[in-house]
Amino acid sequence: GQNIDQPTEMTATEGAIVQINCTYQTSGFNGLFWYQQHAGEAPTFLSYNVLDGLEEKGRFSSFLSRSKGYSYLLLKELQMKDSASYLCAVPANQAGTALIFGKGTTLSVSS
Amino acid sequence: DAGITQSPRHKVTETGTPVTLRCHQTENHRYMYWYRQDPGHGLRLIHYSYGVKDTDKGEVSDGYSVSRSKTEDFLLTLESATSSQTSVYFCAISEGRSGRLLYEQYFGPGTRLTVT
Repeated sequence: GQNIDQPTEMTATEGAIVQINCTYQTSGFNGLFWYQQHAGEAPTFLSYNVLDGLEEKGRFSSFLSRSKGYSYLLLKELQMKDSASYLCAVPANQAGTALIFGKGTTLSVSS
Repeated sequence: DAGITQSPRHKVTETGTPVTLRCHQTENHRYMYWYRQDPGHGLRLIHYSYGVKDTDKGEVSDGYSVSRSKTEDFLLTLESATSSQTSVYFCAISEGRSGRLLYEQYFGPGTRLTVT
């Protein structure tokens, strides 16, 4: 079965670095997604990791360890606009045709 | 941005009435999904479609039905709405997979449904 755990809330200050962790158990297809969701808006895609290691994309990086069932999203040089919920998601089945989402981590960035 | 729209964007209805939400895409993506999002529960999959007339259940499918008669449209129907179905409903689309790689899902703007 699938089980995804993320911290519920995190706070940080502008310019800082924050790491949002996600642990998961899955019997499905490999890979893990991160999405960003601002309050009152739809989720938007941030990253997809299918192999172990770190993927860097500008101020955001995502790490995956498949053997440990662990991922993190690293946000550098935080800005106020980074205040949002961050959702990790893993495939829900062997075919990879559906995703199961974590409950999300609400990040608040203050000045 | 992916061409995906949802209608209506807001709806208030009474318990026991039928409700249909529409998702429309212009991207010709094979996969379409319906989710609901509630505080404390996050985003949960209701149903999804992997082609015209091909659908499957998600983790919270009870009380919901779907139909996909055209590639671009995916309908979610609440046959008899209940207060527990008050939620924000998101549609998403995806190209699916390519070998061992998955394509990301793009989400519509959401429909806020209130059942009184």
